[in-house]
Amino acid sequence: NAGVTQTPKFQVLKTGQSMTLQCAQDMNHEYMSWYRQDPGMGLRLIHYSVGAGITDQGEVPNGYNVSRSTTEDFPLRLLSAAPSQTSVYFCASSAVLSSYNSPLHFGNGTRLTVT
Amino acid sequence: EDQVTQSPEALRLQEGESSSLNCSYTVSGLRGLFWYRQDPGKGPEFLFTLYSAGEEKEKERLKATLTKKESFLHITAPKPEDSATYLCAVGGGAQKLVFGQGTRLTINP
Repeated sequence: NAGVTQTPKFQVLKTGQSMTLQCAQDMNHEYMSWYRQDPGMGLRLIHYSVGAGITDQGEVPNGYNVSRSTTEDFPLRLLSAAPSQTSVYFCASSAVLSSYNSPLHFGNGTRLTVT
Repeated sequence: EDQVTQSPEALRLQEGESSSLNCSYTVSGLRGLFWYRQDPGKGPEFLFTLYSAGEEKEKERLKATLTKKESFLHITAPKPEDSATYLCAVGGGAQKLVFGQGTRLTINP
C-alpha cells in the first residue's frame, strides 16, 4: 500500500537549471497538490489539481509549472531554479475534491537545494 | 485573511508528563480544523479533523478539542515515541487550507 510516492528524495541544482519533481498516488484520489515547507513559514500551497486535465494556482505558484494527464501522476516542474526555491517539497492527495474540509495524504518529500 | 498560530514553538517534557499544545485561529467560516504529526524527514501524517466548537476526538494518548477560537492537542502520559512536530491547519471561507508553523515536541525518557 504505497500511498503517495515522491521522487527523488534529494536533489541539488545550480541556479538556472530545470527539473521535474515526480509525484504518484495509488489511492485513486482526484485531488492532488504540491506544498513547500520552509523553516518558520509552515506549509504553503504551490499548485493543485481536482482531476486529470485540471490544474490551478495556489499561494506561491511563481517559478513552478504543473500538469495532470492521469489521475495517478502530478509532476511539478521548476523552470529555471533559483536559490529562493531551496525548500522541502511535499505532494499531497485527498479523496475529496478540496483540501479545506478533508484530510490530506502526504508523500515523504523532496529536499531541494539550489546553489 | 485566515491565520493560524501555534504555541509553543517547542516543548520538552519528561516521559509521563502530560501537557497541551495550542492552535489559535482566525477564519471566516470554519470548514475544518486538522491536526497532523510530522516525524523528521517524513511527510505530515493525519491525526484528527474537528468541524465544530465543542467537538473532541481521541487517539491513544492524544485528545484534540475545539472552541470557536482555538484548538488544543492534549497529550496524556506521553512516551518518547510521541516526539514529533505537530501541525495544525484550518480550512475556512477562502476555501483553502492554512497551516500553522508547528510545535516541536520532545519527550525525554
